[in-house]
Amino acid sequence: QQQVKQSPQSLIVQKGGISIINCAYENTAFDYFPWYQQFPGKGPALLIAIRPDVSEKKEGRFTISFNKSAKQFSLHIMDSQPGDSATYFCAAIPGNTGKLIFGQGTTLQVKP
Amino acid sequence: GAGVSQSPSNKVTEKGKDVELRCDPISGHTALYWYRQSLGQGLEFLIYFQGNSAPDKSGLPSDRFSAERTGGSVSTLTIQRTQQEDSAVYLCASSSAWVASYNSPLHFGNGTRLTVT
Repeated sequence: QQQVKQSPQSLIVQKGGISIINCAYENTAFDYFPWYQQFPGKGPALLIAIRPDVSEKKEGRFTISFNKSAKQFSLHIMDSQPGDSATYFCAAIPGNTGKLIFGQGTTLQVKP
Repeated sequence: GAGVSQSPSNKVTEKGKDVELRCDPISGHTALYWYRQSLGQGLEFLIYFQGNSAPDKSGLPSDRFSAERTGGSVSTLTIQRTQQEDSAVYLCASSSAWVASYNSPLHFGNGTRLTVT
């Protein structure tokens, strides 16, 4: 069974702090690791993604750190803002299948 | 341009009734996916259409669930004899390539919230 395990389930951070969400995977055939952001009543929207041949990718305040040997990757949100309050999903795609396998999600609350 | 459109946005039905959920993917997108999101849960893959090829139905939870895609565009997910455990948000997504990938990510609609009473 191909799985992606995400933690924590929920996270509360003060405005300006760093939010960190972790994911671990089991299948080495995964070749694409996106993070999705979902607001209530909306569908998930792609936030940032990384390939396994790169150890880090940064886009603005969002950074993915990828550890291939440990089969782990994480999302860091720097200078967290109340507008970042949402549910975040990590995901992985087994090569050439196109079927994203999602983590269970993390509900982030950024307090003003 | 327009994103992935799903209708209805909300559907309440009685146990045992059939329901149809519609998805209009982004124009020109080749791949179309259906996912299910139960309360407080992650996204569960249901079915995947890759162009005109036979769909990957490996995620459908039972034979009460079926989907079709007409003309390589609009898709309909049908649930027959609905059960209370079918209550969830059903999400449709599309990708510009044959499969979702780093260069052709999945774009999701806002989903249909199905409530079976």
